[in-house]
Amino acid sequence: AQSVAQPEDQVNVAEGNPLTVKCTYSVSGNPYLFWYVQYPNRGLQFLLKYITGDNLVKGSYGFEAEFNKSQTSFHLKKPSALVSDSALYFCAVRDNSGSARQLTFGSGTQLTVLP
Amino acid sequence: NAGVTQTPKFRVLKTGQSMTLLCAQDMNHEYMYWYRQDPGMGLRLIHYSVGEGTTAKGEVPDGYNVSRLKKQNFLLGLESAAPSQTSVYFCASRHLDRAYEQYFGPGTRLTVT
Repeated sequence: AQSVAQPEDQVNVAEGNPLTVKCTYSVSGNPYLFWYVQYPNRGLQFLLKYITGDNLVKGSYGFEAEFNKSQTSFHLKKPSALVSDSALYFCAVRDNSGSARQLTFGSGTQLTVLP
Repeated sequence: NAGVTQTPKFRVLKTGQSMTLLCAQDMNHEYMYWYRQDPGMGLRLIHYSVGEGTTAKGEVPDGYNVSRLKKQNFLLGLESAAPSQTSVYFCASRHLDRAYEQYFGPGTRLTVT
């Protein structure tokens, strides 16, 4: 079975400061890892993915994420936060070794960027 | 290109009533999904479909039924609504060869009293 943990329900950061949203995962095989963002009253939007290759992946809106196999983590980062980054962020995992076709989502982290 | 659309956007039901949520996508995607989103629990998969005429159970299928009679539409039915089904429901779709990117609809907020 695959699972995802987002240990922080809420992250607050000042505008201009770097931000990190944490994610750890558990899968039986090699993982596909994803970050999605949800703005108020909207559906989720795809931000970035890790499939294979370079451990640092870059995505939309200046976000990036670092895959760490030994720590089974996939933290989302941005060097300089914007107020408009305030949203709900979801980490997701898919086990690429089995027949599972669906993603397993974490519980979400509410990011608030303070002006 | 509207992407993924959902109707209705909001609905209030009384316990025991039935309703159908409609999801439509115009991207010719093979896979479609229904999720529910509850506070502190993220998204949980209800049912999914890998193609026209096929459906499969997800993590929380009880109390729901689905149908995929046309490739572009995926219907979620509640035969006898219960207060525990109060949630926000999201539909998503993806292309067969792009397993990593799902496209989500705007959601349906359902309240069962």
